[in-house]
Amino acid sequence: EAAVTQSPRNKVAVTGGKVTLSCNQTNNHNNMYWYRQDTGHGLRLIHYSYGAGSTEKGDIPDGYKASRPSQENFSLILELATPSQTSVYFCASGDAGGAAETLYFGSGTRLTVL
Amino acid sequence: QQQVRQSPQSLTVWEGETAILNCSYEDSTFNYFPWYQQFPGEGPALLISIRSVSDKKEDGRFTIFFNKREKKLSLHITDSQPGDSATYFCAASPELSGKLTFGEGTQVTVIS
Repeated sequence: EAAVTQSPRNKVAVTGGKVTLSCNQTNNHNNMYWYRQDTGHGLRLIHYSYGAGSTEKGDIPDGYKASRPSQENFSLILELATPSQTSVYFCASGDAGGAAETLYFGSGTRLTVL
Repeated sequence: QQQVRQSPQSLTVWEGETAILNCSYEDSTFNYFPWYQQFPGEGPALLISIRSVSDKKEDGRFTIFFNKREKKLSLHITDSQPGDSATYFCAASPELSGKLTFGEGTQVTVIS
């Protein structure tokens, strides 16, 4: 079964601090994604990657950076965290082969920026 | 702007009834429409999906009806069970990729 693991599960940060959210997948999927979930907005795409060493901007990339050092790992970095970045963040991996791509999501990281 | 819209925001049905969740989109290039189910404290999981070449997709008690001309689709949950209580997200993409645009979600509660 697909396995996407996010860490930490919960994080409290201070305004202006640096935050790194980590994601590991054991599915050997090429594609990985970072979404944030907010009430009234559903899930919005922040950054994504098509493979190790590549990162692409999603729909709301401002204030976020991403890093894909290996096939398995994909990190989301908030260099200067702001209260507006308080949210639940989901990582997903995708199997782009075949007729359609299914996304496999992790359990999420709840980030609170004070 | 919200390119994928869902209604209602929340829905309560009795066990055994049919729940109907609505979704509409704006981008004519969207041609793949998955529905994801999310339980509290978990990430979303793919429930059922449809491509724009079809007007109906059925999987057990879950059926998607798709109207390309009106840019609308709906998810019907027949014989609703308490275990179906969850938030359902309609999503769309212009190609078979993970760059999905999600709707706001519909929270479904099934009471017995």
